Amino acid sequence: QKEVEQNSGPLSVPEGAIASLNCTYSDRGSQSFFWYRQYSGKSPELIMSIYSNGDKEDGRFTAQLNKASQYVSLLIRDSQPSDSATYLCAVRPTGRRALTFGSGTRLQVQP
Amino acid sequence: DAGVTQSPTHLIKTRGQQVTLRCSPISGHKSVSWYQQVLGQGPQFIFQYYEKEERGRGNFPDRFSARQFPNYSSELNVNALLLGDSALYLCASSAAPRERAETQYFGPGTRLLVL
Repeated sequence: QKEVEQNSGPLSVPEGAIASLNCTYSDRGSQSFFWYRQYSGKSPELIMSIYSNGDKEDGRFTAQLNKASQYVSLLIRDSQPSDSATYLCAVRPTGRRALTFGSGTRLQVQP
Repeated sequence: DAGVTQSPTHLIKTRGQQVTLRCSPISGHKSVSWYQQVLGQGPQFIFQYYEKEERGRGNFPDRFSARQFPNYSSELNVNALLLGDSALYLCASSAAPRERAETQYFGPGTRLLVL
């Protein structure tokens, strides 16, 4: 079992729709969760961090964390073509300094 | 404020050669982490340094080494390059290693091609 799992996609949504990106993790004791966006040929850019169960909103982005289900998601409202990128879920497992990344979900927003 | 900087941006080497990659963290940040990202995969952790000391090491062979300088910049060295070392090498900067709230910010990366 991979430590952090994401559907590779592509996830295709029309412009203006809500994109929902999902991630599951294996270490039940993990405390820190991050979403990064990576455009083709570029480096990952931090979108959001979340540490507690529930929702955290920042502009068009909402991160959701459910530690009991070991599940973290990212919702993008009013999706724009400029949101087309690969979205990486990252988790800091218990007792580790480093982030463990999923393989990313490629999002395509159709104009 | 400048973000994380890395040099060079691109590099082509041949098998067996050695390479040194450089990173300067965000001003005020004292921790640097190195990641390797192979095409189609998420970044994989190589090293973390804080205050010039190694704080973590990923599952990479001894051909990979790193160090951090008094100004908090860092170098990643890879010896005896293999074709499989071709990847995007990412440096991430954080203020300090903390159990929960440490946030890592990535530099633009160095794209290494081994022929």
